[in-house]
Amino acid sequence: GESVGLHLPTLSVQEGDNSIINCAYSNSASDYFIWYKQESGKGPQFIIDIRSNMDKRQGQRVTVLLNKTVKHLSLQIAATQPGDSAVYFCAENYSGAGSYQLTFGKGTKLSVIP
Amino acid sequence: GAVVSQHPSRVICKSGTSVKIECRSLDFQATTMFWYRQFPKQSLMLMATSNEGSKATYEQGVEKDKFLINHASLTLSTLTVTSAHPEDSSFYICSASQGPNAEAFFGQGTRLTVV
Repeated sequence: GESVGLHLPTLSVQEGDNSIINCAYSNSASDYFIWYKQESGKGPQFIIDIRSNMDKRQGQRVTVLLNKTVKHLSLQIAATQPGDSAVYFCAENYSGAGSYQLTFGKGTKLSVIP
Repeated sequence: GAVVSQHPSRVICKSGTSVKIECRSLDFQATTMFWYRQFPKQSLMLMATSNEGSKATYEQGVEKDKFLINHASLTLSTLTVTSAHPEDSSFYICSASQGPNAEAFFGQGTRLTVV
């Protein structure tokens, strides 16, 4: 059931600044990672992914960094815009399981100050 | 990207009744569908994985007799919450995949409120 008092970590940034959202993943065997954006009342929206044979991958205004040594993933958003305000989740997958089953991280709420 | 549609987007039901949520892949065939539950301000938790034509695989702690999953066709999976209780109130989200390790696309979610 629901946990009383649980809250998401929140990151507040000024419009135009860069945002960095961090995530620690749990399974050292995971070899595929995805960042999702979730707006209130909606399903997750794919942002960017990275496989374990890479350390960095860039998209449009977003960059994902992977540090397998410490099982850490980060999402960098350049020139953050009000439309970027949402909750961001990292997700991990182990391809050896033969399924696109994802394990989601706790999430971070990004608030952009106009 | 491919489109996955959930219906209804919101539903309110009385305690003790059952409610069915549909997940449809609109423009691709989904051999595998996943059902997640998300409580407020929490992350998505996988409930079960369903493969077309076979029984769903449930995660530990998820009651298969309470959360009935049917994946009878390559474009439709349903989740039925039986004998719903207020603690079942949550956001239910499905995703659909074309096959093993193929990208899964998410539906828009269903907000269930049990009163």
